[in-house]
Amino acid sequence: DIQMTQSPSTLSASVGDRVTITCRASQSISRWLAWYQQKPGKAPKLIIYKASTLGSGVPSRFSGSGSGTEFTLTISSLQPDDFATYYCQQYNTYFRTFGQGTKVEIK
Amino acid sequence: QLQLQESGPGLVKPSETLSLTCTVSGGSISTTNFYGGWIRQAPGKGLEWIGSMYYSGNTYYNPSLKSRVSISVDTSENQFSLSLFAVTAADTAVYYCAWNDAFDIWGQGTMVTVSS
Repeated sequence: DIQMTQSPSTLSASVGDRVTITCRASQSISRWLAWYQQKPGKAPKLIIYKASTLGSGVPSRFSGSGSGTEFTLTISSLQPDDFATYYCQQYNTYFRTFGQGTKVEIK
Repeated sequence: QLQLQESGPGLVKPSETLSLTCTVSGGSISTTNFYGGWIRQAPGKGLEWIGSMYYSGNTYYNPSLKSRVSISVDTSENQFSLSLFAVTAADTAVYYCAWNDAFDIWGQGTMVTVSS
């Protein structure tokens, strides 16, 4: 199995802050990585796929980068609607795996 | 616009089989390169991939669940289904169905509790 490790687990930030979340894969996944945003009681929403492609309707303050084993999700200027939990997920192999999640909290 | 909706019992007894259906609307499973997946989330926990099915009919399951899970498709009903056998309390979770390699479309989720 490919293990996905996110850091940090929790992140406290203020509106307007630049926020970066890291996701590491236990082996190379090329650029087959997605990022999801989940709010309490809601289904996850795809925000980035293929490491850096924005999902439909996703604001441009979100960006993704990386390849191989190390990836980042950046929110350039945190907005009130962005406080949520973020998950990375690899789809390089038939056996998908998610990271453990990063909760972005209000500071 | 494709939409997904999970359905099934909200309460299942230990040792029994959990059966859920994902109904696809806004498009036909049989005319697309179908890729459907099931994901679950235990209370207060992260996302866990359960398994996926391709239009070819090939299925892939989480190794930790492989012996207890089955995914199938009913093209006549535009649905794909999840069966999880011999459930325990550890299988209590919100179950989601999702679409595409990167899961870009999700159902709203359905809570399933395993309890006698």
